[in-house]
Amino acid sequence: EDQVTQSPEALRLQEGESSSLNCSYTVSGLRGLFWYRQDPGKGPEFLFTLYSAGEEKEKERLKATLTKKESFLHITAPKPEDSATYLCAVGYNQAGTALIFGKGTTLSVSS
Amino acid sequence: DAGVIQSPRHEVTEMGQEVTLRCKPISGHDYLFWYRQTMMRGLELLIYFNNNVPIDDSGMPEDRFSAKMPNASFSTLKIQPSEPRDSAVYFCASSLLGNYGYTFGSGTRLTVV
Repeated sequence: EDQVTQSPEALRLQEGESSSLNCSYTVSGLRGLFWYRQDPGKGPEFLFTLYSAGEEKEKERLKATLTKKESFLHITAPKPEDSATYLCAVGYNQAGTALIFGKGTTLSVSS
Repeated sequence: DAGVIQSPRHEVTEMGQEVTLRCKPISGHDYLFWYRQTMMRGLELLIYFNNNVPIDDSGMPEDRFSAKMPNASFSTLKIQPSEPRDSAVYFCASSLLGNYGYTFGSGTRLTVV
């Protein structure tokens, strides 16, 4: 069964304290690994797409990396405005362009 | 572009009533997705359309759920009759073929009492 597991479920950081979020997956035919950010009361917002092991993408304080079985979202020197739920998703062959989402990691950054 | 537009933002209804959720995708996007989000199960794919045609509805939980896309600019998700366990946030998203960077709407928070 195709699955996406994110850890930890929740993470509290002090401003400037770097850390990483993990996304592990098992799919029969990976068609991309996606990171989204979701703020309370809003829909998820697309951040990155990674397609092959070794690929990296960066945006401001965020960097996403991909291996054959997992992805990491590294957050460097976070600020309070980085507080949100970060969702990982994988595209899979069976359904074409549809995505399976993990349950997310809720990040809280305090000043 | 105004993005993906969903209505209503909030819906409170009594058990047994019919509920209709609405979505207007981004113009030019040829894929439309309906997801449901709960604390317990996270985001679950219910159904998706390509060029207005339903492609995969295996995520629709029961026959009480139905979805239509009569044209490229409008889709509905209907629940009839509604039950308390249907309470969740329902999201609509759209995308272009080959681009998995979905654009999500703001969601409809459904409460069935």
